[in-house]
Amino acid sequence: GAVVSQHPSRVICKSGTSVKIECRSLDFQATTMFWYRQFPKQSLMLMATSNEGSKATYEQGVEKDKFLINHASLTLSTLTVTSAHPEDSSFYICSARIRGEGETQYFGPGTRLLVL
Amino acid sequence: AQTVTQSQPEMSVQEAETVTLSCTYDTSENNYYLFWYKQPPSRQMILVIRQEAYKQQNATENRFSVNFQKAAKSFSLKISDSQLGDTAMYFCAPLTCYGGSQGNLIFGKGTKLSVKP
Repeated sequence: GAVVSQHPSRVICKSGTSVKIECRSLDFQATTMFWYRQFPKQSLMLMATSNEGSKATYEQGVEKDKFLINHASLTLSTLTVTSAHPEDSSFYICSARIRGEGETQYFGPGTRLLVL
Repeated sequence: AQTVTQSQPEMSVQEAETVTLSCTYDTSENNYYLFWYKQPPSRQMILVIRQEAYKQQNATENRFSVNFQKAAKSFSLKISDSQLGDTAMYFCAPLTCYGGSQGNLIFGKGTKLSVKP
């Protein structure tokens, strides 16, 4: 199957700093990438959808100035958590939808963020 | 609003036996897609199987098969010959489509499956 990578896999930072998470599709072009957040023992919650070359679409209740998303190319999307606070600590997962295989999403391995 | 219900928070099965995970959903769409993903302890989301709603034939993928009942909006997953590596959270996820664009997966709350030796 298609491979999606995420970097870093784990990050610990101080409150007030910004953290950037990268999501890459390694062997395919992704027309659309998705960012999810998952709290312990809960399901995935969609944060935003990003299309290459256009602004991300954020879900209700997700602050776009807090969670900056850039989808600069067909293989790379980044999520920046600005001025992170302890309540932003979570597991962040990206996924990508393959161009030409429109419906199936492949997921990255996730990034565990801990804000102290 | 689209909703997904996985009524079994936890299930267990003996190795080599068969288990069925249930999922019901609500949608006003006629054409859509349905997915089952598993999330093992590593937390990597892995595609298990997918079904296109316009296809009457149930999808199968090796030991995994679905029972898709479109009228009842039911999409259960059957795992045959369960293996220890099947231990994971299983999420049912319909793909909503609105307008002419492709939409987003809606995840159920998940079923935690434990395969016992």
